[in-house]
Amino acid sequence: EIVLTQSPGTLSLSPGERATLSCRASQSVSRNYLAWYQQKPGQAPRLLIYGASSRATDIPDRFSGSGSGTDFTLTISRLEPQDFAVYYCQQYGSSPRTFGQGTKVEIK
Amino acid sequence: EVHLLESGGGLVQSGGSLRLSCVASGFTFSSYAMTWVRQAPGKGLEWVSIISGGGDKIYYADSVKGRFTTSRDNSKNTLSLQMNSLRAEDTAVYYCAKDSGSPGPLHYWGQGTLVTVSS
Repeated sequence: EIVLTQSPGTLSLSPGERATLSCRASQSVSRNYLAWYQQKPGQAPRLLIYGASSRATDIPDRFSGSGSGTDFTLTISRLEPQDFAVYYCQQYGSSPRTFGQGTKVEIK
Repeated sequence: EVHLLESGGGLVQSGGSLRLSCVASGFTFSSYAMTWVRQAPGKGLEWVSIISGGGDKIYYADSVKGRFTTSRDNSKNTLSLQMNSLRAEDTAVYYCAKDSGSPGPLHYWGQGTLVTVSS
């Protein structure tokens, strides 16, 4: 089983600032099959990034993903008020298709 | 438009059983793997199970293996999760989600159904 470790647990930032979220895998993620999701309270998760760096449909370009192998990053270039939420990474290259524990991006 | 609607959640005693359903529409159901993900109150996402489009390949998280059974009826566009020997730690919102490829990320999610296991 691939264990995904996200850091930091909480990120306190102001609107307009840059957010950098990390996801580290315990072993190499097959073909960089790594996704990022955003979840707001009371809502289902929303897919942001897949294949480590491809934006999903209708996702603004302030969201970008990078990385390969075991180290991946989600960057939000300039935080908008609606971006304050919890973010999860998930690897879907092998089963079980594990999730990271999440990073909460909160308003400073 | 893709739509996923879960049902079947509720309150059950520890050791009991419950069956969740997820009715899909807006896509060719039999062509896509489907996934169950759960989220305990105030906690993160936990991957539970995946079933291939044809239903011949099924995988489970260790935490539910031997207690939960995933199945699908492609004639009815319905995904099911039979949950037996339920424990308090199974209390969660259960989401069904559609895989976007082979393999693929979870592009579409249902709204979730809450399962509460009382001890």
